[in-house]
Amino acid sequence: GQQVMQIPQYQHVQEGEDFTTYCNSSTTLSNIQWYKQRPGGHPVFLIQLVKSGEVKKQKRLTFQFGEAKKNSSLHITATQTTDVGTYFCATSTGNQFYFGTGTSLTVIP
Amino acid sequence: DGGITQSPKYLFRKEGQNVTLSCEQNLNHDAMYWYRQDPGQGLRLIYYSQIVNDFQKGDIAEGYSVSREKKESFPLTVTSAQKNPTAFYLCASGRDSSMNTEAFFGQGTRLTVV
Repeated sequence: GQQVMQIPQYQHVQEGEDFTTYCNSSTTLSNIQWYKQRPGGHPVFLIQLVKSGEVKKQKRLTFQFGEAKKNSSLHITATQTTDVGTYFCATSTGNQFYFGTGTSLTVIP
Repeated sequence: DGGITQSPKYLFRKEGQNVTLSCEQNLNHDAMYWYRQDPGQGLRLIYYSQIVNDFQKGDIAEGYSVSREKKESFPLTVTSAQKNPTAFYLCASGRDSSMNTEAFFGQGTRLTVV
């Protein structure tokens, strides 16, 4: 099946610093999805990208899908304590969702 | 409100006992999934179902069983054959089997073997 690798596994930042997590695949992806899981909570869908080179923004969050559709990134500008959680990338093939291992973000006030 | 309901939120089980985790959705979604999450880990697929009365094994199906008798319900049984069952279990659903559909998750059940 498809494998989606995600780095880094953990990231600690001072509040106000930027944060980026990366997702990579050895195969071309039809789509990339991003989810956020707050501590003790469940994953919540954030966004989906389907086009080569696509960039989408949600307030301080910027999502990119690579030109070759094999990688993606999530960038948070000026992190806040509310950004704490684990961010997962995933791809949907129709039969299954393949999730990355997630990046756990800690924001130090 | 539409959504996915998992129950119970916390579950304690004695070693050697089977236990069933409930997952119900009223989103009219065709596809349903069970994932296991261990501390600091990602999501590992246990079983999934694309349609009523049909389901497939995921990556870690050993020691688990499921049924899909109704579209709305996809219960997971953790059997005594599962050697390390303590984990956070997440149920999810997807609108259909097409690509580009997102996963909707329940609140999860935290299972502890005592």
